[in-house]
Amino acid sequence: QSLLAQPPSVSAAPGQKVTISCSGSSSNIENNDVCWYQHLPGTAPKLLIYDDSERPSEIPDRFSASKSGTSATLAIAGLQSDDEADYYCGTWDSSLSEGGLYVFGTGTRVTVL
Amino acid sequence: ERRLVESGGALAQPGESLRVSCEASGFTFTSYNMNWVRQAPGKGLEWISFVSSDNSRVEYADSVKGRFTISRDNARNSVYLQMNSLRGEDTAVYYCARDPEAFCSGGSCHGRLDFWGQGTQVTVSS
Repeated sequence: QSLLAQPPSVSAAPGQKVTISCSGSSSNIENNDVCWYQHLPGTAPKLLIYDDSERPSEIPDRFSASKSGTSATLAIAGLQSDDEADYYCGTWDSSLSEGGLYVFGTGTRVTVL
Repeated sequence: ERRLVESGGALAQPGESLRVSCEASGFTFTSYNMNWVRQAPGKGLEWISFVSSDNSRVEYADSVKGRFTISRDNARNSVYLQMNSLRGEDTAVYYCARDPEAFCSGGSCHGRLDFWGQGTQVTVSS
């Protein structure tokens, strides 16, 4: 059972914006860096966001993220057909081990209508 | 070009052992911590193990602790996952992923799985 809750699915038409929430606690999201990953099953997952809101250079600025307290949010603007994928938040949880263990959210399927 | 290539996935019977490998190229392997992450059929991503860049620290998820062992050979640019006492619920695609800066300081942990391999299929069934 994941410590990070995400909605199972979100959908929108091309060009629109979707947001995906990730709800956790003070032992994970609130006090540790949050990342977001894009995954098409059978392929290598891709890092979209790190350090709560930073984008790797190769990720377009249509992808943005924020964090407030024990929740984090990923936004995808200008939705495109190739954004159809599963999206996961990820962070450390310091309640599981002194050094922290990594945990993923439950995952959200984005559908472009 | 950076690459992470997993191998060793196979069909195993419950109770058997299997070792999966991940070979890195195109970047300085010794600068990165390494992780194993898996995805069971119809399920989400599950982090299962971590090894620090210098082999000084290893971590495991409760679901595999005591059965799986992570190791790395920096001379071979490779990380391994030895899986013993396999169960049906271990059936998954196993991915390796690198992390350039996994550390905890002042009550806050930092890190990111910034590059992943394509995965290797492990199936546990009689």
